[in-house]
Amino acid sequence: AQSVTQPDIHITVSEGASLELRCNYSYGATPYLFWYVQSPGQGLQLLLKYFSGDTLVQGIKGFEAEFKRSQSSFNLRKPSVHWSDAAEYFCAVGGSQGNLIFGKGTKLSVKP
Amino acid sequence: DAGVTQSPTHLIKTRGQHVTLRCSPISGHKSVSWYQQVLGQGPQFIFQYYEKEERGRGNFPDRFSARQFPNYSSELNVNALLLGDSALYLCASSLYGVTNVLTFGAGSRLTVL
Repeated sequence: AQSVTQPDIHITVSEGASLELRCNYSYGATPYLFWYVQSPGQGLQLLLKYFSGDTLVQGIKGFEAEFKRSQSSFNLRKPSVHWSDAAEYFCAVGGSQGNLIFGKGTKLSVKP
Repeated sequence: DAGVTQSPTHLIKTRGQHVTLRCSPISGHKSVSWYQQVLGQGPQFIFQYYEKEERGRGNFPDRFSARQFPNYSSELNVNALLLGDSALYLCASSLYGVTNVLTFGAGSRLTVL
């Protein structure tokens, strides 16, 4: 069965520091992979997606993610975090019904 | 351009009652999906509808039902509410055939007492 694991429940980084959020997936074929961000009381906003091709994907707000088939990973990175990046981040894999299967999320806190 | 709109934004019900949540997709999007997000968890897939037909269903009991209207808007209905139904209910719309690329609304926060 398809599944997504986000090993880190909560991460705190200092403003200006780099960020990496981990995501591992379980899927038999080439997956469609996504990262979404959710601010408090808000819906989900798509940061980036991977369908095929270049394994390094650029997204909005300066985020990027790298697909590594050998590690079944799709980690999200940002070189310099801003206070406004504090939010919850969800990794997802595309399901067979056109749906998304989400991980449990990683909450990001940013220290001034 | 209007995004995905959901109503109501917040509501409180008691156990055993019924609730109806509404969703209007982005103009031009013909597919609507519903997700349940319990506090501290990722969203869980409930239904997908396209052209008024159910095209996908997650692992939810029959108390959950939905429908899609000719204008592509959608309703999610939950009968015999349980405390565990308390959650944020998210609606998402998509261009059918554009695989899995969903645009989400802000959600309806349901509290069951």
